[in-house]
Amino acid sequence: DAGITQSPRHKVTETGTPVTLRCHQTENHRYMYWYRQDPGHGLRLIHYSYGVKDTDKGEVSDGYSVSRSKTEDFLLTLESATSSQTSVYFCAISLDRTSTDTQYFGPGTRLTVL
Amino acid sequence: LAKTTQPISMDSYEGQEVNITCSHNNIATNDYITWYQQFPSQGPRFIIQGYKTKVTNEVASLFIPADRKSSTLSLPRVSLSDTAVYYCLVGDNRRSGGGADGLTFGKGTHLIIQP
Repeated sequence: DAGITQSPRHKVTETGTPVTLRCHQTENHRYMYWYRQDPGHGLRLIHYSYGVKDTDKGEVSDGYSVSRSKTEDFLLTLESATSSQTSVYFCAISLDRTSTDTQYFGPGTRLTVL
Repeated sequence: LAKTTQPISMDSYEGQEVNITCSHNNIATNDYITWYQQFPSQGPRFIIQGYKTKVTNEVASLFIPADRKSSTLSLPRVSLSDTAVYYCLVGDNRRSGGGADGLTFGKGTHLIIQP
């Protein structure tokens, strides 16, 4: 399995509080992604990164920000968590960003916003 | 990206061969077909990828007819541990370097294997 870890694995927080999720990889892959997965919606891309300090928005980026100060770490921040952001968050990595390039996923973080 | 359509759910029994078909009528010339598998409480993982005809690996086979408007993932002799969601993705190997496209996961097919 690709060396991808996510922390925390589970978190419960209250509406209005900031939350930061961390993705760490040991594969030295250039591209990193944050997805959320909700029942009935499948996986949806939030943000992605194509290098240190290089990030871009995905399909559902509103209410989220990201940072990548090192190749191995990609942080997802919810500036002010809302109940609609209760979800399972997956980090993924890939060597390239083409649609044929395999993405390797982390174990996920289950976030509950009360 | 080409839109894909696959069954929401399927049931089968241990030891059977399972075929999951994905429809992608608008597939483009440079698009490849990729399947991912997701177990409960885990992230998706790559199973197989192909462009045309047939691809086989240690996990599955992928059959793609000449018109490429559909594809079939075949899982031989399934076991209970094959219960998972299977996603069909269609994408262009030339698209890179930016943009919010790339991998698009639909709702997948929830495969349930019974004893």
